[in-house]
Amino acid sequence: GAVVSQHPSRVICKSGTSVKIECRSLDFQATTMFWYRQFPKQSLMLMATSNEGSKATYEQGVEKDKFLINHASLTLSTLTVTSAHPEDSSFYICSVPGTHKNIQYFGAGTRLSVL
Amino acid sequence: GDSVTQMEGPVTLSEEAFLTINCTYTATGYPSLFWYVQYPGEGLQLLLKATKADDKGSNKGFEATYRKETTSFHLEKGSVQVSDSAVYFCAGMDSSYKLIFGSGTRLLVRP
Repeated sequence: GAVVSQHPSRVICKSGTSVKIECRSLDFQATTMFWYRQFPKQSLMLMATSNEGSKATYEQGVEKDKFLINHASLTLSTLTVTSAHPEDSSFYICSVPGTHKNIQYFGAGTRLSVL
Repeated sequence: GDSVTQMEGPVTLSEEAFLTINCTYTATGYPSLFWYVQYPGEGLQLLLKATKADDKGSNKGFEATYRKETTSFHLEKGSVQVSDSAVYFCAGMDSSYKLIFGSGTRLLVRP
């Protein structure tokens, strides 16, 4: 069964609204989770590392005020896309390191469409 | 910084054909290497991995060998099936457990 649950799988919103995406680790506790973004027919780009109980670490070029990350518990991290615009439309995927940290388990992804 | 380069697709094959998807990496050390597969509309699934030089990862008929001398981790399968149609990503993991992905290769297998 799924190790990582990501919700929602698809969301359509109006420009200017905020969208929250949840990533849950079902099988184990995760002090760290990763958020990726995938543009159509392109590779995954790491956006940020979510850290339980502390601030997220953002990759260069990713706006931290635009993409708010909260890792409030050992099983849940959320990504909020604030004031979404059409250029934010993309496929967002989270991952959770397993017991052996060199294995990551991926959520099914969230397809965001901003009108 | 570390980087992963894989062959561009799409790759179109007939069923039972031999598959090779090339992947090379650039890194200061010897990262763990992975192949992930993404089926239409789904997230990524780990296909196979290798954590050190000369390791061979294998799963579902797919194989890849970690070649230190050529810094490569090419994916191979002897006989592809229609159900193998998907996008395949080569990835390396750096020392902070971050995955660095190649650009992905779309495979289309025709009956």
